[in-house]
Amino acid sequence: NAGVTQTPKFRILKIGQSMTLQCTQDMNHNYMYWYRQDPGMGLKLIYYSVGAGITDKGEVPNGYNVSRSTTEDFPLRLELAAPSQTSVYFCASSALSGQGVETQYFGPGTRLLVL
Amino acid sequence: AQTVTQSQPEMSVQEAETVTLSCTYDTSESDYYLFWYKQPPSRQMILVIRQEAYKQQNATENRFSVNFQKAAKSFSLKISDSQLGDAAMYFCAYWGLDGGSEKLVFGKGTKLTVNP
Repeated sequence: NAGVTQTPKFRILKIGQSMTLQCTQDMNHNYMYWYRQDPGMGLKLIYYSVGAGITDKGEVPNGYNVSRSTTEDFPLRLELAAPSQTSVYFCASSALSGQGVETQYFGPGTRLLVL
Repeated sequence: AQTVTQSQPEMSVQEAETVTLSCTYDTSESDYYLFWYKQPPSRQMILVIRQEAYKQQNATENRFSVNFQKAAKSFSLKISDSQLGDAAMYFCAYWGLDGGSEKLVFGKGTKLTVNP
């Protein structure tokens, strides 16, 4: 099991450019999430998905879009990148059992710098 | 909205000693989960320990244990026999209902330094 993988590890964008952050999990988890972590802060939820074809907004969704066409993949799209989107982005996944939500497993993160 | 507060931005401990990191949270729910995550300089988020709110027994994972006080909404992490590899940011997190849907809410973190 590779767990949760994210690409790229690091990227520099110019203001107004677009890019897609990739996230893949091989644990057959229902739930997937995107978080951003600003310097000195905890993680804030951008978007999440409870299964293929279903996505929902988190705390800070503006400027981002997601899709979930398969169980394994949950890409995060940035349109018209802005300096305020400079952050570290984490993808996570979790299963849902009859006993409630399972632990979230995090990818290694993508560091994004918008100049 | 649920909030998670870590009142200690930084803590330090001598190697082999014990340290306790504090966390409080605010919720009106009775069913939820609490987590401690470790983030080393590599920035990866690593689960340290998890506690279900319905369980009265405090969770333990090797050198890591929690003191879960449900009535006080307190969830502290105790690290025994601290090792140099324990140096990291530690995040307390709450999972439960927030604005009608279940979400994971993080505190701002505590930076732990382990001195040799």
